Amino acid sequence: QSALTQPPSVSGSPGQSVTISCTGASSDIGTYNRVSWYQQPPGTAPKLMIYDVSNRPSGVPDRFSGSKSGNTASLIISGLQAEDEADYYCGLKIGGSIWVFGGGTKLTVL
Amino acid sequence: QVQLVESGGGVVQPGRSLRLSCAASGFTFSLYGLHWVRQAPGKGLEWVAFICNDECDQYYADSVKGRFTISRDNSKNILYLQIDSLRAEDTAVYYCARDGAHYDIDSWGQGALVTVSS
Repeated sequence: QSALTQPPSVSGSPGQSVTISCTGASSDIGTYNRVSWYQQPPGTAPKLMIYDVSNRPSGVPDRFSGSKSGNTASLIISGLQAEDEADYYCGLKIGGSIWVFGGGTKLTVL
Repeated sequence: QVQLVESGGGVVQPGRSLRLSCAASGFTFSLYGLHWVRQAPGKGLEWVAFICNDECDQYYADSVKGRFTISRDNSKNILYLQIDSLRAEDTAVYYCARDGAHYDIDSWGQGALVTVSS
């Protein structure tokens, strides 16, 4: 099963924008618009933030957006707030109903 | 609203078996595929298994194939995960989660902690 690579950590000050990358291969991220993003504050369950690369579920603030270029998907958080401090994971359905997650990125709001 | 409540976790000796349950409510259970995802202490998410809505197909991560069995009872709205031959590396919080309408996992339970230790 393939691997998705995320930076271990990113940081930003309140009001700034940060980007979290998720790099796969041409056979997965590069081919399919199936990337989703999950937010996990400390001690809580993951929460879906973005699906199908760039779509937001109802209730997710529009400060959160997603994009993809080649084999890399990105989660962009603009107007950073203290409550955004969490771990973020990209996820991908790679075949049948087999899934893979990135290693996770810890976002610190300075 | 969608609710997924895991149970059955605890401290188990290596080599023993354990069955986790996930009670679902707030949606039509028989229409949705379901996942188990685990998270070892201080580590990231690891997808474990998936079962389609009417048990037509099950899929497993290579790391658990042959020891884990996912199943469901649509008459009781319960998802199960049978774990055999437990190993120390199976120590994790196990999340039950719902397959979304798109390419996503749209709802998650709060998790059940399984600790494998002698």
